[in-house]
Amino acid sequence: DTGVSQDPRHKITKRGQNVTFRCDPISEHNRLYWYRQTLGQGPEFLTYFQNEAQLEKSRLLSDRFSAERPKGSFSTLEIQRTEQGDSAMYLCASSPAGRTLNEQFFGPGTRLTVL
Amino acid sequence: AQSVTQLGSHVSVSEGALVLLRCNYSSSVPPYLFWYVQYPNQGLQLLLKYTSAATLVKGINGFEAEFKKSETSFHLTKPSAHMSDAAEYFCAVSPYGDAGNMLTFGGGTRLMVKP
Repeated sequence: DTGVSQDPRHKITKRGQNVTFRCDPISEHNRLYWYRQTLGQGPEFLTYFQNEAQLEKSRLLSDRFSAERPKGSFSTLEIQRTEQGDSAMYLCASSPAGRTLNEQFFGPGTRLTVL
Repeated sequence: AQSVTQLGSHVSVSEGALVLLRCNYSSSVPPYLFWYVQYPNQGLQLLLKYTSAATLVKGINGFEAEFKKSETSFHLTKPSAHMSDAAEYFCAVSPYGDAGNMLTFGGGTRLMVKP
């Protein structure tokens, strides 16, 4: 299967700990997006990359959050000093870039629980 | 700024009945519009998208949606519900033009199908 993959699928951590999630996009896709979905809500945009450049960040992305895509392939999302309010599903999506609208393909998500 | 409103966080229909899930958007210009489906513990799957071509859009699994500019709506329908349609459905918008194509989602509608 060559879809978007995310690792881990589930993460339980204690408040104050740092966590890192990984996303592997579809190989030919140069755009990569991170979204956060809390229980009972729709996903909210966090940030996106075109190749290795981070082009947009939501105000939801506090300074405790950092995302990287060092070689324009996989991406990591790190949350430092986790808080209970960070508990959510973190979704990654990828798409090809271009002048026409391209579908975003979503991964299965990483569910974070902060105790 | 764009926004999406999905009327009805829960919709229940009988198997074989018509499915109607409502979506209204707010945007200064007609955006791109999408419907996604999410099954438990899975990522989002695209059902269909409107990209300013035909106003009636057909998607997968027998779903379709009609773009009505005068009503700023993009309601999702299916003539006959199947048990396998039970899931969470999200309407989303994206800015017209190649502006990163970040998605803004509605709050979601959980569809329940009764036997």
